[in-house]
Amino acid sequence: SAVISQKPSRDICQRGTSLTIQCQVDSQVTMMFWYRQQPGQSLTLIATANQGSEATYESGFVIDKFPISRPNLTFSTLTVSNMSPEDSSIYLCSPGQGSYNSPLHFGNGTRLTVT
Amino acid sequence: AQKITQTQPGMFVQEKEAVTLDCTYDTSDPSYGLFWYKQPSSGEMIFLIYQGSYDQQNATEGRYSLNFQKARKSANLVISASQLGDSAMYFCAMSFGGSQGNLIFGKGTKLSVKP
Repeated sequence: SAVISQKPSRDICQRGTSLTIQCQVDSQVTMMFWYRQQPGQSLTLIATANQGSEATYESGFVIDKFPISRPNLTFSTLTVSNMSPEDSSIYLCSPGQGSYNSPLHFGNGTRLTVT
Repeated sequence: AQKITQTQPGMFVQEKEAVTLDCTYDTSDPSYGLFWYKQPSSGEMIFLIYQGSYDQQNATEGRYSLNFQKARKSANLVISASQLGDSAMYFCAMSFGGSQGNLIFGKGTKLSVKP
């Protein structure tokens, strides 16, 4: 499976600020999925990022709050904007090839705490 | 709509014994994949095992096996010879043919292995 590097691994941020999370993969992938895991909860898909097109956001997530970049097939960023304590979560990226029968592998996640 | 259900919030098992973690799913898509992930307290998501909807035999990976009962729409994870390091959250997840390969997750089961 691909090697996935996610940065930062954790951060403590003040409310009202923004944090950009980077995800680097060692091979080209069709899609990049971004997930959020709120404390004690399961994973929820935020958006799907394809190169050269706007990311597709799931219900309840908007581009102004979670802008995503996908400049090439090995890299993506997720920004958490104008943060509030409710944004405290683990954020995980996962590269995908668009096939339902391939397991997704995840970066180690970014553990975000907003004070 | 696709749905994954894990009804066991927490499970205890004695070291060296086997344990079954339950997972049921719902989808009208004939093509789908079922996955199990382990999440230790450190937060990373570790892929364990995959079962495809067209697979005739139950998947096995080392001490992990997937009890796939298609008619009952269940995909239970069996861990044999439990070890202390198996203590973690376990998530059942599904992808389906109409998706882009993203996963839908259940709420998870917290497994505690007792010495």
